[in-house]
Amino acid sequence: QSTLTQPRSVSGSPGQSVTISCTGTSNDVGGHNYVSWYQQEPGKAPKLMIFDLIKRPSGVPDRFSGSKSGNTASLTISGLQAEDEADYYCCTYTGTNSVIFGAGTTLTV
Amino acid sequence: VQLVESGGVVVQPGGSLRLSCAASGFSFEEYSMHWVRQAPGKGLEWVSVISWFGENTYYADSVKGRFVVSRDRYRSSMYLQMNSLRSDDTAMYYCTKEARGTFWTGFDSWGQGTLVTVSS
Repeated sequence: QSTLTQPRSVSGSPGQSVTISCTGTSNDVGGHNYVSWYQQEPGKAPKLMIFDLIKRPSGVPDRFSGSKSGNTASLTISGLQAEDEADYYCCTYTGTNSVIFGAGTTLTV
Repeated sequence: VQLVESGGVVVQPGGSLRLSCAASGFSFEEYSMHWVRQAPGKGLEWVSVISWFGENTYYADSVKGRFVVSRDRYRSSMYLQMNSLRSDDTAMYYCTKEARGTFWTGFDSWGQGTLVTVSS
């Protein structure tokens, strides 16, 4: 079964930039652009931050951006703000009619 | 867009349960819909997807053969019939909507979740 590897935690100071990586394989992350990222605050439902690898839903600040290199997708948050502190999950199509999530990364600001 | 889940309760191992998701604020029949769950203190796990008119359904290996997803276009609702429940099915179950009409693009709207607890 496919797995996506994310760092357990990342941290940054207000105003700085951080990047969260999400490593899969050539069958999933590396094989298409069906990568999405979610922000989840404690006790709340997840919120879509990036879809189709690089697209931002309406209302998501342009401080959030997505990218990919080979089998690793990345979420970059620039100009960190205290309100960005949350768990972040990557998600991708496996290539076999299913999707998988990474284990999540806790961002501390 | 609003998604409202219901049906989560405490159920014994081996039991059955049906979750519902009532959708509003968008053209329900134009989007694939998914169920995603989250065990207490754990990460997100995709469960199932159903296409626009219900002609295609797919499941995670962990629930295949036990769960059945369906939808009712007239009620703008999606359902998850859960059978042969196990303790590791204990989770918050979220109803989600595709960001675009096609599969696998991302989940742009989420309900508040409904909690299923499998315990004797």
